[in-house]
Amino acid sequence: DAGVTQSPTHLIKTRGQQVTLRCSPKSGHDTVSWYQQALGQGPQFIFQYYEEEERQRGNFPDRFSGHQFPNYSSELNVNALLLGDSALYLCASSLEGHGYTFGSGTRLTVV
Amino acid sequence: AQSVAQPEDQVNVAEGNPLTVKCTYSVSGNPYLFWYVQYPNRGLQFLLKYITGDNLVKGSYGFEAEFNKSQTSFHLKKPSALVSDSALYFCAVRAGRTSYDKVIFGPGTSLSVIP
Repeated sequence: DAGVTQSPTHLIKTRGQQVTLRCSPKSGHDTVSWYQQALGQGPQFIFQYYEEEERQRGNFPDRFSGHQFPNYSSELNVNALLLGDSALYLCASSLEGHGYTFGSGTRLTVV
Repeated sequence: AQSVAQPEDQVNVAEGNPLTVKCTYSVSGNPYLFWYVQYPNRGLQFLLKYITGDNLVKGSYGFEAEFNKSQTSFHLKKPSALVSDSALYFCAVRAGRTSYDKVIFGPGTSLSVIP
């Protein structure tokens, strides 16, 4: 049974560029949450998707957007990248009433 | 608003000794509490959770946690530490029983188990 799969594993982008990160949830899970984890810090909640809609959002600017597809997979898009966007981006999937399963993350470096 | 505090950035313990990683939380309503572990360059792995019932919760790899409502704490414990337990530990809280409710993580505690 595959867990949560994130791609790519590593990414280097230039300031001002746009990036798309992808997440395939664990089989049977219907909810996807995205987190940003800066170096030395705890994960910060970005947003959560359920039934292809953004259900909750953390304190992140509109440059951060997402999408969920009918097969429950999800994308995180970040526009106009800043140096401060460099972080590990974690995707977590879940099913109502159950805890999160995390992917290994995408390490984004903005130069 | 919900929040989680982990008062210790770093915990060092000798192999074979008991370990404790502290966590306090703030949330309105009944808390749903979690512990996760993170190894270098990896995602978070679930250790245990408290939803309701017995205040002592047992989880993976011999870890347990004690829920204390009056002190709003949820400390992680293990009777005998292993070198392989060295990792980053995160306490988290969800203010609600549905997956609709977002999970908030603490800043993390780095555990080093010394041989």
